[in-house]
Amino acid sequence: GQQLNQSPQSMFIQEGEDVSMNCTSSSIFNTWLWYKQDPGEGPVLLIALYKAGELTSNGRLTAQFGITRKDSFLNISASIPSDVGIYFCAGQGGGSNYKLTFGKGTLLTVNP
Amino acid sequence: SAVISQKPSRDICQRGTSLTIQCQVDSQVTMMFWYRQQPGQSLTLIATANQGSEATYESGFVIDKFPISRPNLTFSTLTVSNMSPEDSSIYLCSVATGTLYGYTFGSGTRLTVV
Repeated sequence: GQQLNQSPQSMFIQEGEDVSMNCTSSSIFNTWLWYKQDPGEGPVLLIALYKAGELTSNGRLTAQFGITRKDSFLNISASIPSDVGIYFCAGQGGGSNYKLTFGKGTLLTVNP
Repeated sequence: SAVISQKPSRDICQRGTSLTIQCQVDSQVTMMFWYRQQPGQSLTLIATANQGSEATYESGFVIDKFPISRPNLTFSTLTVSNMSPEDSSIYLCSVATGTLYGYTFGSGTRLTVV
């Protein structure tokens, strides 16, 4: 089946620093989604990308849908303590393939 | 996006027993899904809950172990049957209201089997 390679697995940064994480796949996806999960909660959608090459921002977050449709990255600028959590990428095949495939997650720790 | 209420939020159960998890959505949705998230792991799709018909299970998951009901477009249940400690996980309900809106998740049910 489809697999996503998400990196890095974890990051420890200082408040104010920028963060970048990415996902790659051996398969093409039609949609890329980025989620954040806080402890004890379900994942919350941060950004959705629907077109190859698309660059989308949500506040301090920016994500891009790779041209090859096999990768995506998420950047967080000027990190703050509440950015702490696990970030997941997810890809959807599109059309009748509605299922999401999730990356293994990036655990972000922000030191004040 | 849809608002999901998932119950219970957590439970501690004895091995050999069963637990039913409820997922209630505040609007009609086309697709509902159940995921499992084992400790420290990513999300794995268990099945797609189909309204009025049997759920569609992913490889490695079977109806006898994880029976699912979906009587209407706003409600679904997942039962974890004959539980063992290996079933200790977070179980998450997810819905899709349309391909352009991503997928919304409930807050999950944290299950511990002792």
